[in-house]
Amino acid sequence: AQSVTQLDSQVPVFEEAPVELRCNYSSSVSVYLFWYVQYPNQGLQLLLKYLSGSTLVKGINGFEAEFNKSQTSFHLRKPSVHISDTAEYFCAVRNTGFQKLVFGTGTRLLVSP
Amino acid sequence: SAVISQKPSRDICQRGTSLTIQCQVDSQVTMMFWYRQQPGQSLTLIATANQGSEATYESGFVIDKFPISRPNLTFSTLTVSNMSPEDSSIYLCSVASGASNTGELFFGEGSRLTVL
Repeated sequence: AQSVTQLDSQVPVFEEAPVELRCNYSSSVSVYLFWYVQYPNQGLQLLLKYLSGSTLVKGINGFEAEFNKSQTSFHLRKPSVHISDTAEYFCAVRNTGFQKLVFGTGTRLLVSP
Repeated sequence: SAVISQKPSRDICQRGTSLTIQCQVDSQVTMMFWYRQQPGQSLTLIATANQGSEATYESGFVIDKFPISRPNLTFSTLTVSNMSPEDSSIYLCSVASGASNTGELFFGEGSRLTVL
């Protein structure tokens, strides 16, 4: 079975600063990895996904993530955050043979001026 | 992509009552998923619903409490039965993208239930 760990429950950062949200996963088989964002009182929106190929994945809103198989990590980064990036970010994993998605506990990104 | 509509978007319910949440998708999909997001928590899969067969429930969730219907390839309902305050959550419907091997799930806006 897969599992996802997001060690940081909350990350405060100033506007225009860089940010990294950490995600580690556990699985005995090949996986697909995802980052979703949830703005206040809204549903989930896909930021980016890793299926195969290049380990550096670029997503929407200037976010990117790097898949590191040896470290079983899929950390999310943005070089310069905006106030509007304040939201909850969820890392998720599924194995390549089934569509069930397992979510991490989420990281709340708080961007202040 | 898929557009998912959920009803109701929010509701306040009395203890002991039941509420049915509807999920409508703008395209035919094989598998639909129901998730629960308790306040301040992550998403937990309740069950997977395939058209024409019984839903498959995850550990800790049972059909008597969360009956699911899947009458066709674009629609599903989740009922939360005999509600208690612990059932106060956001319930989300999701579906896989048209090409199932891409792995992406699309989510509805969610149904926010408050049980008094």
